[in-house]
Amino acid sequence: QAGLTQPPSVSKGLRETATLTCTGDNNNVGGRGAAWLQQHQGHPPKLISYRNYSRPSGIPERFSASRSRDTASLIITGLQPEDEADYYCSAWDVGLSAWVFGGGTKLTVL
Amino acid sequence: EVQLVESGGGLFLPGGSPRLSCAASGFTVSSTYVGWVRQAPGKGLEWVSVLHGGGQTYYADSVKGRFTISSDIRSNTVYLQMDSLRVEDTAVYYCAKLENSGYDFDSWGRGILVAVSS
Repeated sequence: QAGLTQPPSVSKGLRETATLTCTGDNNNVGGRGAAWLQQHQGHPPKLISYRNYSRPSGIPERFSASRSRDTASLIITGLQPEDEADYYCSAWDVGLSAWVFGGGTKLTVL
Repeated sequence: EVQLVESGGGLFLPGGSPRLSCAASGFTVSSTYVGWVRQAPGKGLEWVSVLHGGGQTYYADSVKGRFTISSDIRSNTVYLQMDSLRVEDTAVYYCAKLENSGYDFDSWGRGILVAVSS
């Protein structure tokens, strides 16, 4: 099954803003949006944004999400050292009747 | 509090047939979507299978016909029967619950390693 497209890596400085992108098509991101997951090394993924842009309990307001056509974005403001992690987008693909993930973006906080 | 605890992993021969278990608490598996997502060493996340409490099942093409997802309501456990294992099935397998609409994986277990090697 085809996946979503994410840049492999993004590097930003402490307290800067990082924008991570996730590109799909109108069968997935464009139709129903994308959720975002954060995974620290050696730990399971953690949902940080639902596809409707709301945040689960306990996720800081520094994390926000948006979408423009077939591309979803995760915006992290005021970057902190603990934000360094792998970030994945996920979506339901109505054409495939399957859940699809992006390849993940490794965020480095300099 | 939602908790998902996987078990049943280990080292298996190609062609093997292990069964993974996911013991759930804090919700009832019969009332929502629960599934499996895997992550090969050093790789990204790959969706494997999802079961809706009402009985509907979904499988990735890579495992269709080899893996079977099921549940036991009495023990509130979801299973993944893995048949005809291949080397490329080697991965950490995560049990994950989806939110009510069935789109987003909102709670994850710690994962369990399935290694396939001769």
